[in-house]
Amino acid sequence: SQKIEQNSEALNIQEGKTATLTCNYTNYSPAYLQWYRQDPGRGPVFLLLIRENEKEKRKERLKVTFDTTLKQSLFHITASQPADSATYLCALDPSNYQLIWGAGTKLIIKP
Amino acid sequence: EAEVAQSPRYKITEKSQAVAFWCDPISGHATLYWYRQILGQGPELLVQFQDESVVDDSQLPKDRFSAERLKGVDSTLKIQPAELGDSAMYLCASSLAKTAHGYTFGSGTRLTVV
Repeated sequence: SQKIEQNSEALNIQEGKTATLTCNYTNYSPAYLQWYRQDPGRGPVFLLLIRENEKEKRKERLKVTFDTTLKQSLFHITASQPADSATYLCALDPSNYQLIWGAGTKLIIKP
Repeated sequence: EAEVAQSPRYKITEKSQAVAFWCDPISGHATLYWYRQILGQGPELLVQFQDESVVDDSQLPKDRFSAERLKGVDSTLKIQPAELGDSAMYLCASSLAKTAHGYTFGSGTRLTVV
């Protein structure tokens, strides 16, 4: 069956370090992959989109990579801050279909 | 910055009662989505509209859920009768195009069925 997996365990990172979150998928050939941030009790907020023909995308302290051979995307936050603490969701976009969502990884940045 | 408006923010209802949620998407966004999210899980699509037409409602429990977007702008999601298992966050999102700009979500309605 089609599946998208994110680390279910919370990720604890020391402030100032780089946080790296993983999104793995099977049985898809996604045209796009998106990353969202979600704070408790709020809706997800769109962060970055990366296309299948792009290896890497950057936005300020954020970097996303997309390896269609490994079927994996990595999401990096450099110089992490306590304010970066949230749940991060990845979502696949097989072209012409609905977004398929991961369950999210909770990131905790400790001062 | 433009936002997707949702109301109410919180709703507590007794099982077997009717409940309705409202969503006003970002102006000009033709595509509107209703999602349900259970704590610790990703959002689950209930229904997708393109303008006033339903594009996908394959995951909508049609025996008790209904959704409409009569003029292709704001939308209402209704549950009747509510069941205990419907307790969740109900999220509305809109987008310009399916891909390039991502989805803009509202703050959601937290439904508790007692």
